[in-house]
Amino acid sequence: AQSVAQPEDQVNVAEGNPLTVKCTYSVSGNPYLFWYVQYPNRGLQFLLKYITGDNLVKGSYGFEAEFNKSQTSFHLKKPSALVSDSALYFCAVRDGNSGYSTLTFGKGTMLLVSP
Amino acid sequence: GAGVSQTPSNKVTEKGKYVELRCDPISGHTALYWYRQSLGQGPEFLIYFQGTGAADDSGLPNDRFFAVRPEGSVSTLKIQRTERGDSAVYLCASSFDSSGTGELFFGEGSRLTVL
Repeated sequence: AQSVAQPEDQVNVAEGNPLTVKCTYSVSGNPYLFWYVQYPNRGLQFLLKYITGDNLVKGSYGFEAEFNKSQTSFHLKKPSALVSDSALYFCAVRDGNSGYSTLTFGKGTMLLVSP
Repeated sequence: GAGVSQTPSNKVTEKGKYVELRCDPISGHTALYWYRQSLGQGPEFLIYFQGTGAADDSGLPNDRFFAVRPEGSVSTLKIQRTERGDSAVYLCASSFDSSGTGELFFGEGSRLTVL
C-alpha cells in the first residue's frame, strides 16, 4: 500500500523568510510525487510534480521541491514567503510501476505567513 | 467552462435521503476521479473512471455509494440512504493523461451535510 506523511499540521513563517513544508512517502515502485495547494473554499490546485529526472523540480508561484530517494522525501520549498502563500498544502503519491494506481494524499499542512 | 464544474456546491439533506452529485470534467479529459474530503483530512479516493467504465471503485465505502459516467463525460455520484457520517466535501477531478504522470484538475467540490 502507498502512503504519504505530512508531519506538521501547521507551519508558521514570516513574510520574506524561506519556507519548507515536509512530506515523506511510502510506495513499492517508483514514486510519482505531486504537491497541491488549497485556498479557502476553493478546489485543489496543482503546484508541481516529480516523475523522473532532475531531483529539484520547479513549479507555480515560485515553489520548488526536492526529491530525495534515500530519505523517501519530497519537501516543498520557497526562498521567500508571501502572505498570499497562506493556504493548505497537500503532498500526494502514486506508484509509477503499477500501470495504474490511485493518487494518495497526505492529510495536509496549513501554511501561515505573517506580515 | 474551462475548468471542472461540480453541482450543487452545497447540499443539505436529512438522514436516509438519496443524493446525487454531478461533475462536468474538462472537455477531452478521459480520466475522471471522485474523492471525499472530511474536515482536517486530505482527499480520500473513491472511484476512478477511464472513459465510461469504472476502472477502480475500491475506494467506495459501501454499497450505498455508486457512480456513473454513461457517455464518458459527465459523472454522477449517487448516495443512497444517507448517514450523518457521509457529511463531507466531495471532490471531482479530471485528467487528460491516463498514464499516471499527469496532474489532476479539481473542481471546487460539493459540500454535503446530512442532518
